[in-house]
Amino acid sequence: GENVEQHPSTLSVQEGDSAVIKCTYSDSASNYFPWYKQELGKGPQLIIDIRSNVGEKKDQRIAVTLNKTAKHFSLHITETQPEDSAVYFCAADYSSASKIIFGSGTRLSIRP
Amino acid sequence: ETGVTQTPRHLVMGMTNKKSLKCEQHLGHNAMYWYKQSAKKPLELMFVYNFKEQTENNSVPSRFSPECPNSSHLFLHLHTLQPEDSALYLCASSQGAGDSYEQYFGPGTRLTVT
Repeated sequence: GENVEQHPSTLSVQEGDSAVIKCTYSDSASNYFPWYKQELGKGPQLIIDIRSNVGEKKDQRIAVTLNKTAKHFSLHITETQPEDSAVYFCAADYSSASKIIFGSGTRLSIRP
Repeated sequence: ETGVTQTPRHLVMGMTNKKSLKCEQHLGHNAMYWYKQSAKKPLELMFVYNFKEQTENNSVPSRFSPECPNSSHLFLHLHTLQPEDSALYLCASSQGAGDSYEQYFGPGTRLTVT
């Protein structure tokens, strides 16, 4: 079945620096790759997604890249701010089962 | 707020108790989900309902029993749970039950089984 691996599990960066979170997936038929952010005491919330017909998508300080050949996708956060501290989950669709599979999460901490 | 509410937010129950978790979505969505979130593990999909019909049961033990009376409400009935069932239970909804719809999550119910 589909498997999504996410690294690192924890990440600490200086405020203002960039953060990168990487994921790999196993189902070559996957076409949809969302990223969710979970703040303390809340459920995950979609922050950006990318589909397989593009290699990169950007929304202000957040960008995602996709390499379908290597089955890798990454989240890039630039000019990090304290409010970026949260747990981030990548996910990939498992098209044969009409569901999405989540990675294990990355706890991002922004140091002042 | 995401438009998905869950009650209670915290629940402590013994292994012989019966309790229910409630989820309500105010988004007009047709699909609803239950997920289990344990520490250091990926979100585990438990059940999917689309137009009130269950379309996915991810090999969940029978001590978890879902109920979807309409497209806006979803329940998870719990009985004779085990300590390893302690986790955050998240409800989500989406416009459709396909694999490329954005899912909107509630804040979760933190369950502790003693």
